[in-house]
This record gives sequence, structure tokens and C-alpha cells, in this order.
Amino acid sequence: DVKVTQSSRYLVKRTGEKVFLECVQDMDHENMFWYRQDPGLGLRLIYFSYDVKMKEKGDIPEGYSVSREKKERFSLILESASTNQTSMYLCASSLYQGATNEKLFFGSGTQLSVL
Amino acid sequence: KNEVEQSPQNLTAQEGEFITINCSYSVGISALHWLQQHPGGGIVSLFMLSSGKKKHGRLIATINIQEKHSSLHITASHPRDSAVYICAGRGGGADGLTFGKGTHLIIQP
Repeated sequence: DVKVTQSSRYLVKRTGEKVFLECVQDMDHENMFWYRQDPGLGLRLIYFSYDVKMKEKGDIPEGYSVSREKKERFSLILESASTNQTSMYLCASSLYQGATNEKLFFGSGTQLSVL
Repeated sequence: KNEVEQSPQNLTAQEGEFITINCSYSVGISALHWLQQHPGGGIVSLFMLSSGKKKHGRLIATINIQEKHSSLHITASHPRDSAVYICAGRGGGADGLTFGKGTHLIIQP
């Protein structure tokens, strides 16, 4: 089975701290994504990557950056955490084999609280 | 305005009932995902479909691309089906996926 592993299930950080959220997938997928999920807003795309060292901004990239040095690992970085970044963060990877053939795999999520 | 709308937002039903969750979209899409999220966060992909119907166990998903509508049905519902169900259309958004806000389903014993 494909596994997408996020390094932390719960994280508490202070305002201004630099925060790293790590995500690793074990199925050699090229596509990886970072989303945040907030009550009433659904899933919103922060950044995504289609290849090593490649990154693309999603719908809400402000305050975030990403790193993809190896194919299996996609890291989300909060340069200076703020309270409005308190959220559930979900990493995903996908095997895209055409517009009607795609398999999505999600990590368990990291609930980040910024105090 | 979200381009993928789900209804109902919340649904509480009794064990054994037939459940229907609807997903309508205003964007042009090539296919649609149905996802399940249990309390605690993890999301599991249930179906991706571009036409007709797919079935897996007690779950059935249908889609009509022309009418821009998809439904997820659960037969003989069980408390373990309690979860948030999310539809996502492929064709819009920065990564090609536009998500609905989810339907929170509770099945009472």
C-alpha cells in the first residue's frame, strides 16, 4: 500500500518561530501537494510540486515556502509562524495517468497550533 | 464562490438507512474524486470517475458530466460510515483540483 507519512500529528509553536512540516511518500510519485484545512473552508492548496526541485504556488502561498530536494520528500516551511496559520495541514501525493485516471493519497495530517 | 458545491452540509441518519450525498459543479471538469475523512484527519480516496457509475462494497458513486452532478450513495449505512465526505473536481484550481467543503455524515446506531 502507498504510504504518505507526515512527521508530526500535533505541533504547538510560538508566534515568530520557523516551522518545518515534513512529508514523505514511498511510491515514487512525482506529484506532491500541501493543503490546509479549516472549518467551513474545506481544503485549500498551498504549494505543489511535479518534480524534484520544482515547486508551484497554489491558491494561498503567502507566508509559506516549500522544498523538494528528493522525490520522496516534500517539506512545508512557515518562515515566521503567525496565529492565523493555526490549522490542519495535509500532505498528498498522486499518481496521475491522465485526466480520468488519477489516484490520490493523503497523509494523516498535522494539527498545528501557533500561540 | 466555491465552484464545487456539496449538499447537504450535515446529515444525521439511523443505522441501515440509504444515504445520498450530492456534488454539483459549475466548472468544466474531466473527472471527479470522492474522498472520505474520518475524525482525526486522514483522508482516503474512494472513487475517481468520469462517467457512469462505480461501486465498491456498500458505496456507489454516479456522475453525469453533462449535467455537472455527481452523487455518492451508501447502502445499509453503519456507524463506521460516519465521516466527512468530500468531492473534488479535476479541471480547475492551481493543481487541477477544486474541492467541495465536505458533507459531515453521522450514522447513529
